Amino acid sequence: AQRVTQPEKLLSVFKGAPVELKCNYSYSGSPELFWYVQYSRQRLQLLLRHISRESIKGFTADLNKGETSFHLKKPFAQEEDSAMYYCALYNQGGKLIFGQGTELSVKP
Amino acid sequence: NAGVTQTPKFQVLKTGQSMTLQCAQDMNHNSMYWYRQDPGMGLRLIYYSASEGTTDKGEVPNGYNVSRLNKREFSLRLESAAPSQTSVYFCASSEGPPRVSYEQYFGPGTRLTVT
Repeated sequence: AQRVTQPEKLLSVFKGAPVELKCNYSYSGSPELFWYVQYSRQRLQLLLRHISRESIKGFTADLNKGETSFHLKKPFAQEEDSAMYYCALYNQGGKLIFGQGTELSVKP
Repeated sequence: NAGVTQTPKFQVLKTGQSMTLQCAQDMNHNSMYWYRQDPGMGLRLIYYSASEGTTDKGEVPNGYNVSRLNKREFSLRLESAAPSQTSVYFCASSEGPPRVSYEQYFGPGTRLTVT
């Protein structure tokens, strides 16, 4: 079965601390993975996609096929990073499968 | 350029009532989607339309119907609302068929409560 798992509902860190939001997937074949973010009172929007190998707002995510993971990382969290983060997998049927989401809270 | 718009923003229904959620996009996108967002469950795809004139079921289509009225508009209908349909509904669109190179753009959401 194709599935995306985000094991943490809530992740709370202090400003300046490193942050890692975990994402594990189940998929047969070459996965295409994304991170979407929803800031308070804003729309869900794309943060980054693994195929681009880009860093957005200081966040990076590396696809680890051996561990079937696509964890989102940032070395120094900022208060403005507080948001809901969703990991998503594009499946063969042309649909996005979202994880349950992780709420990141960055405290001053 | 408003992007993806949804109406209404909020709605309260009684069990058994019907209603239609409206979605429109002004980006000339081919594909449109309806999701529901529930606590602890993330976003789940209800229906999608890869192109004008086509619709397909997603993960949780039961209790819903959709209409791709034209390229811009994609509506979601609840024929007989149930409390289990209490959720936040998001519409999204993307430039082409669902492919990795095409980002999905989301609307602001409709918060629906069924009592």
